[in-house]
Amino acid sequence: NAGVTQTPKFQVLKTGQSMTLQCAQDMNHEYMSWYRQDPGMGLRLIHYSVGAGITDQGEVPNGYNVSRSTTEDFPLRLLSAAPSQTSVYFCASEGTAFTGELFFGEGSRLTVL
Amino acid sequence: GENVEQHPSTLSVQEGDSAVIKCTYSDSASNYFPWYKQELGKRPQLIIDIRSNVGEKKDQRIAVTLNKTAKHFSLHITETQPEDSAVYFCAAISDNYGQNFVFGPGTRLSVLP
Repeated sequence: NAGVTQTPKFQVLKTGQSMTLQCAQDMNHEYMSWYRQDPGMGLRLIHYSVGAGITDQGEVPNGYNVSRSTTEDFPLRLLSAAPSQTSVYFCASEGTAFTGELFFGEGSRLTVL
Repeated sequence: GENVEQHPSTLSVQEGDSAVIKCTYSDSASNYFPWYKQELGKRPQLIIDIRSNVGEKKDQRIAVTLNKTAKHFSLHITETQPEDSAVYFCAAISDNYGQNFVFGPGTRLSVLP
């Protein structure tokens, strides 16, 4: 049981480039989400999904796209990377019964030059 | 929307002493309050949580208290050990925010030997 798997763990981009952060979970969780973590600002919600085919915006969605074609996968796309998107990104999932516990991936450190 | 504040931002204690971290929230509809611990370079992990119908919950050396009237909740760690050194995040969940987690900015706890 791998839990929540994120790739890549590290990535360096140039301004204007696009990329996709991959997230997969094998716990059959309906709820999945993406957060960014910046020093002194905690974890801020970017986008979330309550099930396949359903996505919605969180607190800081600008510059990011998501899709949820399957229960397992929830990729995050950076459309045109900007230095302000330099951050650590976490994918997280939660069970259908809303246990209240978020299961996080290991994180992806993104640097935009 | 929900806003969660957390104090202090940094906390240093001697090994064996107690540590207290406080959080306040703004949405009176919030009904679930988890605490996550994030060790350096690792993913956040749930350590304890409390629901709005409970005033206090303990798990060995850690406890959480909730004051719904004042809209604040606190994490208490007794007999601190060096392995307690980490960043701690509080969070609140409200029906008004689509059951999404709103995190505080975090507290960096250092336990000095």
